[in-house]
Amino acid sequence: GIQVEQSPPDLILQEGANSTLRCNFSDSVNNLQWFHQNPWGQLINLFYIPSGTKQNGRLSATTVATERYSLLYISSSQTTDSGVYFCARGYSNYQLIWGAGTKLIIKP
Amino acid sequence: GAGVSQSPSNKVTEKGKDVELRCDPISGHTALYWYRQRLGQGLEFLIYFQGNSAPDKSGLPSDRFSAERTGESVSTLTIQRTQQEDSAVYLCASSLRLRETQYFGPGTRLLVL
Repeated sequence: GIQVEQSPPDLILQEGANSTLRCNFSDSVNNLQWFHQNPWGQLINLFYIPSGTKQNGRLSATTVATERYSLLYISSSQTTDSGVYFCARGYSNYQLIWGAGTKLIIKP
Repeated sequence: GAGVSQSPSNKVTEKGKDVELRCDPISGHTALYWYRQRLGQGLEFLIYFQGNSAPDKSGLPSDRFSAERTGESVSTLTIQRTQQEDSAVYLCASSLRLRETQYFGPGTRLLVL
């Protein structure tokens, strides 16, 4: 079946550090999204990135569709970056298949 | 409203009881989605509504689950004869159109004792 795998499952960093989160998917996609779920459970869409590179402040994402992976970069981490980062790929016209997430803890 | 709202925020119920969860999407959004998130896991798609089209119910885990949406507004997710394994956070999202960015509500945390 369709697989979305994220790594690492857990990541603990000191404030100010940079990090790279990875998302592998089992077949080609035309809809790949990154989300952040804060410690209170609120989900926020970060990027819609089926291919190429996008940047938003300290965050950027790159999807290499031909090699079936996407990367989320967080630079100069802040404690407010803590939470779970999910990638999700489109399936059919509207469904999203979600990875299990990377739990990020940023220590002050 | 400014964002997707859900109610109640928390629900504790006894096994065997029915529960109804509500979602108010962003005004003007034609698409509405329900997801379930078990503790420590990713999201599991349940059901999707697009405009006046018949919903895709393929993700509903059992016939105890049902959902309705009135036009392009409020949706309710009903779980009948709740079981302990139904305990989870139920998230609702809406998007302006198909395949566009989904905006999530804060979720309803359901605990079945």
